[in-house]
Amino acid sequence: AQSVTQLDSQVPVFEEAPVELRCNYSSSVSVYLFWYVQYPNQGLQLLLKYLSGSTLVKGINGFEAEFNKSQTSFHLRKPSVHISDTAEYFCAVKREGYNKLIFGAGTRLAVHP
Amino acid sequence: EPEVTQTPSHQVTQMGQEVILRCVPISNHLYFYWYRQILGQKVEFLVSFYNNEISEKSEIFDDQFSVERPDGSNFTLKIRSTKLEDSAMYFCASSATGTGGIYNEQFFGPGTRLTVL
Repeated sequence: AQSVTQLDSQVPVFEEAPVELRCNYSSSVSVYLFWYVQYPNQGLQLLLKYLSGSTLVKGINGFEAEFNKSQTSFHLRKPSVHISDTAEYFCAVKREGYNKLIFGAGTRLAVHP
Repeated sequence: EPEVTQTPSHQVTQMGQEVILRCVPISNHLYFYWYRQILGQKVEFLVSFYNNEISEKSEIFDDQFSVERPDGSNFTLKIRSTKLEDSAMYFCASSATGTGGIYNEQFFGPGTRLTVL
């Protein structure tokens, strides 16, 4: 069965520091990969996605992620975070031929001044 | 910018009652979805809907649940007899296409928080 593992439930970081949120997935078939962000009391907003092509994907708000097929990872990075990046971040995968998104448990990013 | 909307934002109901959660997907989208997030847990897929029928559903989506597109704009999730464990945030999503391609991004609504007492 498909699964997504987000290795860190919480990541505290100081403002302007770099951050990496880790995501690993299990799949033996082609997948599409996504990162969503959920701000307090709001819905899910797509940050970026990997469908095919270049393994380094750039998204909104200065975030980027790298697809590593051999390590089945899709880690999210930002070189310098802001207070406003404080939110819950969800990694998700969709198998080729299926509609549903399978989400990880989420990582709560807390940016401190 | 087009967006998915959901009503109500918060629904409180008594156990055993029926609830209908409503969603207005993005107007030119063809695929519709419901997900739920129990407090403190991961977002879980419930069902996908295309061409007026369910295309995929999870084991959570049992006979207590049903979905409908009653007109050209609304997409609803009905829970026939709510249980305490149905308390969750329910998200509606829509996409232009389904399984693959660059237009398969799912756009999510803000959610309806369902509280079953």
